Amino acid sequence: DSGVTQTPKHLITATGQRVTLRCSPRSGDLSVYWYQQSLDQGLQFLIQYYNGEERAKGNILERFSAQQFPDLHSELNLSSLELGDSALYFCASSTQGNNYGYTFGSGTRLTVV
Amino acid sequence: KNEVEQSPQNLTAQEGEFITINCSYSVGISALHWLQQHPGGGIVSLFMLSSGKKKHGRLIATINIQEKHSSLHITASHPRDSAVYICAVRSNTGNQFYFGTGTSLTVIP
Repeated sequence: DSGVTQTPKHLITATGQRVTLRCSPRSGDLSVYWYQQSLDQGLQFLIQYYNGEERAKGNILERFSAQQFPDLHSELNLSSLELGDSALYFCASSTQGNNYGYTFGSGTRLTVV
Repeated sequence: KNEVEQSPQNLTAQEGEFITINCSYSVGISALHWLQQHPGGGIVSLFMLSSGKKKHGRLIATINIQEKHSSLHITASHPRDSAVYICAVRSNTGNQFYFGTGTSLTVIP
């Protein structure tokens, strides 16, 4: 157990639907990062939050949104889902001064059918 | 054009061999990360570097900022080291992350 909890582990949904992925960071970590890993595009950075504020934005589609709550957990909302959104979605957290970088959750595998 | 290039793409080694994976990048960075992804899909962050060299057990990571190049070395490789190793950089403008396509390592007993 890395200390970063992602739920659910697996999700199967239909095109056009909306889903919410949840991430609880490691205790004490203020930053949360979301990444997407698909077979054709590899790992891509979506968005970072730090202590509730958006810190950096990557290749996040307009159909996707995220937020970090006061208790520091984060949610990634994916709407109007398309087949191409099928991927592994990882959350990671970090704290300043961590020499090993980020701690990753085990991911949510999203399948859009 | 990929901001991060890794080599080799695939690597097979005998147990005990010394292994080197290379990463070159084209953007200015605030940090470089080496990640390990096992066949089950989980990702582990091995190193975060902004300069010099770091060592953790049998793993050593180096970075040359002037040459925009990093290497990950594995000494005395073991079958449990079999995984995909991914180089990632965080740019110093816009805080973007860029990822290499990964090096798939297989260590044979």
